[in-house]
Amino acid sequence: DGGITQSPKYLFRKEGQNVTLSCEQNLNHDAMYWYRQDPGQGLRLIYYSQIVNDFQKGDIAEGYSVSREKKESFPLTVTSAQKNPTAFYLCASTGITEAFFGQGTRLTVV
Amino acid sequence: AQSVTQLGSHVSVSEGALVLLRCNYSSSVPPYLFWYVQYPNQGLQLLLKYTSAATLVKGINGFEAEFKKSETSFHLTKPSAHMSDAAEYFCAVSDRWSSGDKLTFGTGTRLAVRP
Repeated sequence: DGGITQSPKYLFRKEGQNVTLSCEQNLNHDAMYWYRQDPGQGLRLIYYSQIVNDFQKGDIAEGYSVSREKKESFPLTVTSAQKNPTAFYLCASTGITEAFFGQGTRLTVV
Repeated sequence: AQSVTQLGSHVSVSEGALVLLRCNYSSSVPPYLFWYVQYPNQGLQLLLKYTSAATLVKGINGFEAEFKKSETSFHLTKPSAHMSDAAEYFCAVSDRWSSGDKLTFGTGTRLAVRP
C-alpha cells in the first residue's frame, strides 16, 4: 500500500541534543512538508520541498533543518537551537488531488 | 495571504444531533478548501474538499460542507452525530491546487459526542 511512514512514533530528547525525525513516502509525490502541531494552534508549516535537492522555509523554520536528497525521503532535524521542541510533528506529501499525512512523531524534551 | 478561522475550539453535541463546525476563510484568489479529521495521536485524514466544482461537497462518514462565497464560509455538517465522530477537525485553504501548494490550517475544533 502506498503511503507516508514517519518514525519513530515517540521520541525523547535531552536538552542540547539534535534529533532527526524520519519521513518516507512511496507515493511518487514531488512535494513534501513538515508541520508542527501544538494544542490550540493547529498545524504550522516548518519546511517544505517541491523537488529533490530543493527546500524552502515555512512559517516556523528557526531551530529546524531538513534535507531532500531523495524523492522518497524528507528527514527533519530538530536542533539544540529550537528552544521549545516538545510537540507533535506531522509529515505530508501532495499529489494531484490531495495531501497525504503520516501518523506523526511525538517529540518530548526530558 | 490566506487564512482560516475556525469558530469554537470545542463543540459538544448529543449522539444523533446535528453537527455544525464553522470555518471562514480569507483568500485573495478563488480558494481550494479542505476539511480534515484527526484522531488522537494520529495523522490527518481528508474528509472532503472543494475545488471549484459543485458548491455542496459530500465527503466520507456522512459529512458534507457548502462553499458560500458571499459569506467566505465552508462550514462542515453532519445530520446525525455518532460516537465515532469524536475527534479534532481542521479546515484548510490553498490558493490553487497543484503539487507543491501549501495548505494553511485553522486552529482546529475538537468535537465531543455525548451518549
